[in-house]
Amino acid sequence: DAGVTQSPTHLIKTRGQHVTLRCSPISGHKSVSWYQQVLGQGPQFIFQYYEKEERGRGNFPDRFSARQFPNYSSELNVNALLLGDSALYLCASSLRGGATEAFFGQGTRLTVV
Amino acid sequence: SQQGEEDPQALSIQEGENATMNCSYKTSINNLQWYRQNSGRGLVHLILIRSNEREKHSGRLRVTLDTSKKSSSLLITASRAADTASYFCATDNNNDMRFGAGTRLTVKP
Repeated sequence: DAGVTQSPTHLIKTRGQHVTLRCSPISGHKSVSWYQQVLGQGPQFIFQYYEKEERGRGNFPDRFSARQFPNYSSELNVNALLLGDSALYLCASSLRGGATEAFFGQGTRLTVV
Repeated sequence: SQQGEEDPQALSIQEGENATMNCSYKTSINNLQWYRQNSGRGLVHLILIRSNEREKHSGRLRVTLDTSKKSSSLLITASRAADTASYFCATDNNNDMRFGAGTRLTVKP
């Protein structure tokens, strides 16, 4: 049974560009959360979606947006990229969201140059 | 903003020794979780302890929770080189989890 899959695994973008990251949750999981992890720090919460609705948003600028599709997969979009957006972006899926056991993907390493 | 704070930031021990990591948090919680991360990749769930529990075991892992002190500890007994990783505590915050900065554990063979 497939775990949480994220694509792409690595990405290099230029300042000012836009990026879309994708996540497929574990089959049967209806909640997807996104986290940003800067080198040497813990993951920072960005968004949580459950049943295609936004259930939580972290302290990130409006350049960050996300959505969840009917098949529960999700996209994270970041506009007007800054150098400081360089990080590992992690997706986590869980059965019903909230602070329950979450299963993480391997992440997308985004480098902004 | 981050909720939990792990202590120490880094820990280096010999194989076979025990490793203890601590986590402090600021607000009331429903549960607290510990995760492990190898080399900046995905996190792996280790254990969840609810606010009405004081101690929980899973294999070589023992987690304690003291809600009066807003703290938790993770003990790994008889450590192995394969336990080398970063360990994070995560506290619930309504619909999301808040992670600390982690403890980097190195187990020397």
